[in-house]
Amino acid sequence: DSGVTQTPKHLITATGQRVTLRCSPRSGDLSVYWYQQSLDQGLQFLIQYYNGEERAKGNILERFSAQQFPDLHSELNLSSLELGDSALYFCASSVGPNSGANVLTFGAGSRLTVL
Amino acid sequence: GESVGLHLPTLSVQEGDNSIINCAYSNSASDYFIWYKQESGKGPQFIIDIRSNMDKRQGQRVTVLLNKTVKHLSLQIAATQPGDSAVYFCAENSPNSGYSTLTFGKGTMLLVSP
Repeated sequence: DSGVTQTPKHLITATGQRVTLRCSPRSGDLSVYWYQQSLDQGLQFLIQYYNGEERAKGNILERFSAQQFPDLHSELNLSSLELGDSALYFCASSVGPNSGANVLTFGAGSRLTVL
Repeated sequence: GESVGLHLPTLSVQEGDNSIINCAYSNSASDYFIWYKQESGKGPQFIIDIRSNMDKRQGQRVTVLLNKTVKHLSLQIAATQPGDSAVYFCAENSPNSGYSTLTFGKGTMLLVSP
């Protein structure tokens, strides 16, 4: 157990729907990162939050959004889902805001299947 | 378990052999490099890291080598064990104005036969 908790572990939904993935960071970590892992694209950075504020943005689609709450948990919202959104979504956390100074600890991931 | 990728480069070794996994990175300004291990059905797990002011770092059974001239990173695993079977990712940290981002390589699958 890495200390980073992601729910749900598996999610199956239909095209056009909206889902929310949840992440609780490791105790004491203030940064949360979201990554998407698909078979053909590998691990793609989506977005980072630090202490409730957006810190860095990667290849996140406009249909996707995220936020970090005062208790530091984070949610990734995926809307107008398409078949190509089927992937593993990982959350990672770190103590500080800089991914170059802190090791990222990953959760076990949420597998999204869009039918 | 779930497959991470169907078309990854694969390294097959025998138990007890030494393994070398290679990675080419893209950004000459990257200042920090990390190797992660991902077992089937799990998230990536930190193995070892190295900063750009070093060219070698050793851990327990693992060594990372960094060649900045050719932008190449390698992970050496000594006395490879069946439990080392996993997908290995290198990641580079690229500074941007005000923040940095961690970019992962495509991964290499290591298969260890008993």
